[in-house]
Amino acid sequence: AQSVAQPEDQVNVAEGNPLTVKCTYSVSGNPYLFWYVQYPNRGLQFLLKYITGDNLVKGSYGFEAEFNKSQTSFHLKKPSALVSDSALYFCAVSPRWDDKIIFGKGTRLHILP
Amino acid sequence: EAGVAQSPRYKIIEKRQSVAFWCNPISGHATLYWYQQILGQGPKLLIQFQNNGVVDDSQLPKDRFSAERLKGVDSTLKIQPAKLEDSAVYLCASSFGQVPTYEQYFGPGTRLTVT
Repeated sequence: AQSVAQPEDQVNVAEGNPLTVKCTYSVSGNPYLFWYVQYPNRGLQFLLKYITGDNLVKGSYGFEAEFNKSQTSFHLKKPSALVSDSALYFCAVSPRWDDKIIFGKGTRLHILP
Repeated sequence: EAGVAQSPRYKIIEKRQSVAFWCNPISGHATLYWYQQILGQGPKLLIQFQNNGVVDDSQLPKDRFSAERLKGVDSTLKIQPAKLEDSAVYLCASSFGQVPTYEQYFGPGTRLTVT
């Protein structure tokens, strides 16, 4: 079955430190991968996507993610965390170009001042 | 540009009652999605429209849930009768095209509590 896993319910990072939010997937073929963020009292917002090409993709607010096919991972990263990055982050995958997006359960990121 | 609008923002009903949610997508977006987000889980697609046609409703509990997008613009999602397990946030999203490579824009959601 197609699925996406976010192994951490919560990640705590000190402001100014690098952050990583983990995501692994299980799909057949070449996946389309996404990260979305949900700030308190706001709707889900698109951060970035991997379709094909360079394994390192850059997105909004200084975030980037690295596609690793051998490890079936798509971890979200940022070199220096801000308190305003505190939010709920969702990894998502689509098994095919014409298939629906499957979301992970989310990881809550806390940036400590 | 105006975002995706949803109403109501909150709704509390008793089990076996009916409820309806409304969504108005971003102007010009042909694709409209309804998602169910249960607490502690990621959004799950219920139904996807392309203009006024259904693209995917494989995860819609059709015995109690229905949705329509008659004029290819705004949409209504209905639950009748509601069950306790329907308590969730119902998210509407829209995109310019129907394939997932097009970015989806989400509304603020409707939080439904079934008692």
